[in-house]
Amino acid sequence: NAGVMQNPRHLVRRRGQEARLRCSPMKGHSHVYWYRQLPEEGLKFMVYLQKENIIDESGMPKERFSAEFPKEGPSILRIQQVVRGDSAAYFCASSPPGGQAKNIQYFGAGTRLSVL
Amino acid sequence: AQSVTQPDIHITVSEGASLELRCNYSYGATPYLFWYVQSPGQGLQLLLKYFSGDTLVQGIKGFEAEFKRSQSSFNLRKPSVHWSDAAEYFCAAGGGNKLTFGTGTQLKVEL
Repeated sequence: NAGVMQNPRHLVRRRGQEARLRCSPMKGHSHVYWYRQLPEEGLKFMVYLQKENIIDESGMPKERFSAEFPKEGPSILRIQQVVRGDSAAYFCASSPPGGQAKNIQYFGAGTRLSVL
Repeated sequence: AQSVTQPDIHITVSEGASLELRCNYSYGATPYLFWYVQSPGQGLQLLLKYFSGDTLVQGIKGFEAEFKRSQSSFNLRKPSVHWSDAAEYFCAAGGGNKLTFGTGTQLKVEL
């Protein structure tokens, strides 16, 4: 079974450009979470999605950031008009749909965004 | 507010020595608790988890952790460290919607 797949692994953008980060959850998982890791820090929760629904976006910056998890295809984290402070590692996690197992999150390898 | 504290930023141990990484949490109720390990440039791998029941939980790679409700702690232990254990270790709490992570402990293993 493939794990959580994130691409690209590395992304370089200039200030003002858009960044699109993709995440395909593990097979059978219907919950997706995005986290951001700044240098020398732990992971910070950004958003929790189920298919076609945003469940909790309490950690998302109010501007320039958006996330979706369409019925078909991967989850997308989109950052518009990137700034240097957006440089970080962005991790996606997924969990299965029900029972106690839904509380276990499995992480992808991350996308490392560098803003020049 | 919910928080997870890992008081040790860096720890260095000799190969073969025992290891204990500390984790304390602050939550309204006992959360689910997790330890993850991150190797350089990699994602996070789940080492072990605590939901309820037996307070000593076993994980992969020979790791174990003990939940102590009275101390709000969930410390990670390993009896004999291997050089390949050098990595960053994160304690996390939560479940359901999101996890709250500590800032991590960087483990260095001296040969």
